[in-house]
Amino acid sequence: DIQLTQSPSFLSASVGDRVTITCRASQGISSYLAWYQQRPGKAPNLLIYAASTLQSGVPSRFSGSGSGTEFTLTITSLQPEDFATYYCQQLNSYPLTFGGGTKVEI
Amino acid sequence: QVQLQESGPGLVKPSDTLSLTCTVSGGSISDYYWAWIRQPPGRGLEWIGCVCNMGSTKYNPSLKSRGFISVDTSKNELSLKLSSVTAADTAVYYCARDQGYQVTWGQGTRVTVSS
Repeated sequence: DIQLTQSPSFLSASVGDRVTITCRASQGISSYLAWYQQRPGKAPNLLIYAASTLQSGVPSRFSGSGSGTEFTLTITSLQPEDFATYYCQQLNSYPLTFGGGTKVEI
Repeated sequence: QVQLQESGPGLVKPSDTLSLTCTVSGGSISDYYWAWIRQPPGRGLEWIGCVCNMGSTKYNPSLKSRGFISVDTSKNELSLKLSSVTAADTAVYYCARDQGYQVTWGQGTRVTVSS
């Protein structure tokens, strides 16, 4: 299975901050990576797919980059509703796997 | 806009079979691919399996062949069966519309495995 390692696991930030989350894959996955946001008690919500393509309806302050084994999710100007847990997911091969998550806290 | 709603027993006994249903509304289940994902309490997401590209079914080997996913087109429902459950199967179970990545998710249904 392909392992995904997210860093950091926890991130303390303030409204208006620029935040970057990293996801590293145990082997190359081209651009087969997605990012999700999960608010407490809610289902995950797709933010980005194909490493850098913004899902329809997702604010443009979210962006993704990377290919191969290293990927980043960036949130420019953090908003109150962005305090949540973020997961990366590799789509290169089965079984699909998720990173351990990054919790963004105030 | 496709919407998904999971349902099933909230409590299952160890060694029994867990059976969950996902009702699809706002679209035909035949038009898309589907996945199940679960999340143990306080932990991360685990992909269970999918009715995937080309209509094939894939499962996470971590389930040790206990999982079965099927589609009932007459009812527009997706189902998951997980046999021989243990406490480790306690989780919130989500169904999702699948395009490789999971585009739309249900709200999830909580399942506890306990005697």
